[in-house]
Amino acid sequence: AQSVTQPDIHITVSEGASLELRCNYSYGATPYLFWYVQSPGQGLQLLLKYFSGDTLVQGIKGFEAEFKRSQSSFNLRKPSVHWSDAAEYFCAVGQASSSASKIIFGSGTRLSIRP
Amino acid sequence: GAVVSQHPSRVICKSGTSVKIECRSLDFQATTMFWYRQFPKKSLMLMATSNEGSKATYEQGVEKDKFLINHASLTLSTLTVTSAHPEDSSFYICSASRQAITEAFFGQGTRLTVV
Repeated sequence: AQSVTQPDIHITVSEGASLELRCNYSYGATPYLFWYVQSPGQGLQLLLKYFSGDTLVQGIKGFEAEFKRSQSSFNLRKPSVHWSDAAEYFCAVGQASSSASKIIFGSGTRLSIRP
Repeated sequence: GAVVSQHPSRVICKSGTSVKIECRSLDFQATTMFWYRQFPKKSLMLMATSNEGSKATYEQGVEKDKFLINHASLTLSTLTVTSAHPEDSSFYICSASRQAITEAFFGQGTRLTVV
């Protein structure tokens, strides 16, 4: 069965600093990988996704992620964070099947921004 | 883009009553809808997957008689929490997928409080 691990529960970075959120997955085939962001009490917004092709994926809000098969990782990066980036970030892996598709989420990483 | 609307956003109900939460895909036909539950400061736990016109597939440990899911049309799925108890209080989020591979769009969530 597929699984997703986000080893960092909480990260604090200074505004303007670079950011990297870690994500490792376990899946038998080529996974479909996602990063979502959630503000308190809100639903989820898709930042970016990887299905195939170029392993460096660009997303919204200046985020990018790199798929590294050899490391089973899909880390999220941003060169310079803004105070508005403070939120909960979820990495997720998708499982395709003949009739349905599941998305399984990691435990999340809470990002705080230091002024 | 694809929009998923969830209603209500907040609901408070008395213990022992039932509560229905709606999930609608507003601008696309959702062949598959998913229901997640999120505990405070925790990740999203997949509860069930529903395909239009067929019975929902529940994840292990989720009581199908307690959490009734109906997916009667390609734009609407409902989750009914029957005989609600305080331990059912949680944040429930739906997502909808319009094709077999994994591309899911999330509703804004429903905060259920059982008193």
